[in-house]
Amino acid sequence: ILNVEQSPQSLHVQEGDSTNFTCSFPSSNFYALHWYRWETAKSPEALFVMTLNGDEKKKGRISATLNTKEGYSYLYIKGSQPEDSATYLCAFTRGGADGLTFGKGTHLIIQP
Amino acid sequence: GAGVSQSPSNKVTEKGKDVELRCDPISGHTALYWYRQSLGQGLEFLIYFQGNSAPDKSGLPSDRFSAERTGGSVSTLTIQRTQQEDSAVYLCASSLAIGQQGYGYTFGSGTRLTVV
Repeated sequence: ILNVEQSPQSLHVQEGDSTNFTCSFPSSNFYALHWYRWETAKSPEALFVMTLNGDEKKKGRISATLNTKEGYSYLYIKGSQPEDSATYLCAFTRGGADGLTFGKGTHLIIQP
Repeated sequence: GAGVSQSPSNKVTEKGKDVELRCDPISGHTALYWYRQSLGQGLEFLIYFQGNSAPDKSGLPSDRFSAERTGGSVSTLTIQRTQQEDSAVYLCASSLAIGQQGYGYTFGSGTRLTVV
């Protein structure tokens, strides 16, 4: 059983503030780390797929970093907006026929 | 289709009844996955298909659960003799192929199953 941990479990942030949260995963046999955003009543939406140690990806105000040697990834949101309120999921895979193992997510609430 | 389509979006059923959940993946995606999220839990992997084949069924919670896929397209997840612990959001996702985990999955909007 692969252990994918996310912290914190939930987070309240003032509009305009920046924030970040963590995903930790097994450091052996790494293939890829995914980040998804899941808004209420919608489908989870892929944000990033990261495969290389030291990788940094950016999409608008959201960015992510990856450390495969120590088994963690950070997701950063700069200048939070109400539309950023969602559950952010990370998922780990060893590739091949190994599917994605998801963490329990970080539930982010942006307060106006 | 343009996205992953799941039906029904909501299902309330009585304990002991059978239910069938449907997933229509993106056209051309050979890999299809079923997950569920129970209250307060993370996404739990159930089963995947590469084409019409499901090589590993060990993720299915019990023998009341079964899944099939026909024509490399639509998949159905069947739960027999539903129990209250089966209540969850059942999500389907598709991707180009197994082993293409360098690409994100495309998820459907889920079926919320409530067993009363």
